Amino acid sequence: QKEVEQDPGPLSVPEGAIVSLNCTYSNSAFQYFMWYRQYSRKGPELLMYTYSSGNKEDGRFTAQVDKSSKYISLFIRDSQPSDSATYLCARVTGNQFYFGTGTSLTVIP
Amino acid sequence: DAGVIQSPRHEVTEMGQEVTLRCKPISGHDYLFWYRQTMMRGLELLIYFNNNVPIDDSGMPEDRFSAKMPNASFSTLKIQPSEPRDSAVYFCASSLRGGRGDTQYFGPGTRLTVL
Repeated sequence: QKEVEQDPGPLSVPEGAIVSLNCTYSNSAFQYFMWYRQYSRKGPELLMYTYSSGNKEDGRFTAQVDKSSKYISLFIRDSQPSDSATYLCARVTGNQFYFGTGTSLTVIP
Repeated sequence: DAGVIQSPRHEVTEMGQEVTLRCKPISGHDYLFWYRQTMMRGLELLIYFNNNVPIDDSGMPEDRFSAKMPNASFSTLKIQPSEPRDSAVYFCASSLRGGRGDTQYFGPGTRLTVL
């Protein structure tokens, strides 16, 4: 079983929609979570990280962790065409990074 | 700062040839990471260095892969001999401390195709 599972999509939404991106993980060891955004033919860039259960908000982005269900989510409000990218979730424990395979998102103007 | 610099950006080679990928981390960053990204397996950590010393190479797939960091501003990932299944995008990343919550800054990647 992979450390982090992520639905690859692709996901296509109209501009202004709320987007929900999800990952599941299998290990309950102490850890924290990150969301990366990767534009086509570029390296990933960190969007947000969170340690604990609950929500963390940053502008239009909200990261949510549900440790009881081993489920992490990224919500994008008022989605923009510039949000079109691949979104990678990552679980970090110690110095080990486990990435999901990424979800491809297209926001249609 | 110019960010993490990788070269070459694209590499096409034939099976059996040696391939060397290069990385210059952000100045002052103590940690350097090498990743491989494919559609099937996503982003995989191959090896990481702290202060030029390899800390964990458990992600290196085979003995054909080797990585070095002779100084704080340069690292190489070598594949010898290369095989078609090594075709992927290889990313180098660096971080200031490498610990909890520390941001990894990724380079633009090297797209490797082994024929």
